[in-house]
Amino acid sequence: QVHLQESGPGLVKPSETLSLTCTVSGGSMATYYWTWIRQSPGKGLEWIGYIYYSGSTNYNPSLESRVTISIDTSKNQFSLKLTSVTAADTAVYYCARPHSQWLGNDAFDIWGQGTMITVSS
Amino acid sequence: EIVLTQSPATLSLSPGERATLSCRASPSAYSYLAWYQQKPGQAPRLLIYDTSNRATGIPARFSGSGSGTDFTLTISSLEPEDFAVYYCQQRANYPLTFGPGTKVDIK
Repeated sequence: QVHLQESGPGLVKPSETLSLTCTVSGGSMATYYWTWIRQSPGKGLEWIGYIYYSGSTNYNPSLESRVTISIDTSKNQFSLKLTSVTAADTAVYYCARPHSQWLGNDAFDIWGQGTMITVSS
Repeated sequence: EIVLTQSPATLSLSPGERATLSCRASPSAYSYLAWYQQKPGQAPRLLIYDTSNRATGIPARFSGSGSGTDFTLTISSLEPEDFAVYYCQQRANYPLTFGPGTKVDIK
């Protein structure tokens, strides 16, 4: 059974870069679009973007100028970088896997437990 | 961007009652709508995908219907573990978007 686990710093200072990693266990990364989603009290659930196992990406236009998602299939990990963070980026960040292979636009049936990121000096 | 609105914001019901939750899409999400359940401190759990398909392991009391701009999640008889927040999500267009949620609480 596939399991996802986020890891990251918990606290990030304003204007700095948020970096998170999602480790995938119990299955292959091949043929799936690995996705980041965040949840904040102010904006609810927000799709950040995905990376395909081959490396192609697609980002939410609202974040596109600040987001980079990368993948390391040899380590079974994918990562999120969000630059120039502000308090508005404070949220629980989830990594997730779509229900279907080969679909980037899908529902998500496997989620990590989520990691709370606070942006504060 | 497809905007999803959910109603009501809160639904107060008793165990055993029927719950009917609404999700409206603007513009159309065709049949590409999913429903999730979320409990405090947990990640969302997929219940229904593509309007009416139950995800693996989801009890038959959960059902989805609708198309285009109007969708419904029905819980036929509420169990104690069903009191939670429910979200809809569309996959018809990028960016993928979620509704603001409906909280089902105990009356």
